[in-house]
Amino acid sequence: GAVVSQHPSWVICKSGTSVKIECRSLDFQATTMFWYRQFPKQSLMLMATSNEGSKATYEQGVEKDKFLINHASLTLSTLTVTSAHPEDSSFYICSASSPSQGDYEQYFGPGTRLTVT
Amino acid sequence: AQSVSQHNHHVILSEAASLELGCNYSYGGTVNLFWYVQYPGQHLQLLLKYFSGDPLVKGIKGFEAEFIKSKFSFNLRKPSVQWSDTAEYFCAGGPGANNLFFGTGTRLTVIP
Repeated sequence: GAVVSQHPSWVICKSGTSVKIECRSLDFQATTMFWYRQFPKQSLMLMATSNEGSKATYEQGVEKDKFLINHASLTLSTLTVTSAHPEDSSFYICSASSPSQGDYEQYFGPGTRLTVT
Repeated sequence: AQSVSQHNHHVILSEAASLELGCNYSYGGTVNLFWYVQYPGQHLQLLLKYFSGDPLVKGIKGFEAEFIKSKFSFNLRKPSVQWSDTAEYFCAGGPGANNLFFGTGTRLTVIP
């Protein structure tokens, strides 16, 4: 149980275009979803936290107009990288949590590799 | 500032050797601590977690970790590693579920 999927697993896009990444909780309802960014050989950096039906809470330094997060349902959150640039190339990971799955545990998706050319 | 640090970037062990991966946290209040593992090509999975109570926490696959408040540490241990333990290990901590700080990770390579 508690499986989280991400789509796509990897994507290549041209500079200036927008890319949407989906995060789904497959077998539970996720009241909270998190988006992380991971650079090579570095830690996961929390970008934002989203609760279903509410606006996402962004971490300091994360541009909310560039990284649009929508958590429209209890099983789906999307991250849209708008007007992508090469410096946005990274590994994006989502996670989900729910009181029904146990407190203080996040279930992670497999990640999405974004390459902006 | 809140942070979690892992000082071992890459650890190489032979099978059956004992493992200890260091994790130190910097946080003044109540902290919840976690160890996650990421096997090659797979997503992060929870190994174990500490909220309160017994500072020695046992997790899956024979792993355990000890919370030592005086040392701000939460080191991961396993008495005898296997080749299948080859993976990246992340320590994480925070005041609650929504504010996790991750360490930079430790890559473990187990040689058969």
